[in-house]
Amino acid sequence: DAGITQSPRHKVTETGTPVTLRCHQTENHRYMYWYRQDPGHGLRLIHYSYGVKDTDKGEVSDGYSVSRSKTEDFLLTLESATSSQTSVYFCAISGVHSYEQYFGPGTRLTVT
Amino acid sequence: EDKVVQSPLSLVVHEGDTVTLNCSYEVTNFRSLLWYKQEKKAPTFLFMLTSSGIEKKSGRLSSILDKKELFSILNITATQTGDSAIYLCAVATGNQFYFGTGTSLTVIP
Repeated sequence: DAGITQSPRHKVTETGTPVTLRCHQTENHRYMYWYRQDPGHGLRLIHYSYGVKDTDKGEVSDGYSVSRSKTEDFLLTLESATSSQTSVYFCAISGVHSYEQYFGPGTRLTVT
Repeated sequence: EDKVVQSPLSLVVHEGDTVTLNCSYEVTNFRSLLWYKQEKKAPTFLFMLTSSGIEKKSGRLSSILDKKELFSILNITATQTGDSAIYLCAVATGNQFYFGTGTSLTVIP
């Protein structure tokens, strides 16, 4: 398995609270991605990063922000969590010359 | 609007059967099509297809892309219970990725 970890793996939080999810890689890959997976919608891209401090929006970026201060870490922040953000969140990485993505184990987030 | 559609949504077969999963797409700036297998955890990479008509093969799994008709198929021959999973198709367009909702395959012994 590619060296990708996510933390926490499970989290329950209340509406209106801030939440930060962490993705850590040991592969030194340039590209990192955050997805959410929901029944009936499949995987949807939230934000991605193409280098340190270089990020861009994906298909469903509203309500989320990201930061990447080091190659190995990509943080996803929900500034004020809502119940619609209850989901499973996956981080993925890929190299410069390939579209092959390798996924982390996922974080199950429940917003009550 | 970019979109990826997979069919069928679900499939139940007996061990030993051959199955064909479909993925059609409508996107701007197509770069590559990818197949993943997901078994109650993170998706795992199967194939990446960039050129039309060139079959990718790995054991009992194979896949091919038709860029003119905008679709790909994933074939699994001699299915086994371990093939039970959700199969995801994704299309890369520059730095964006669009996933289909997946095909759920159940293989009965």
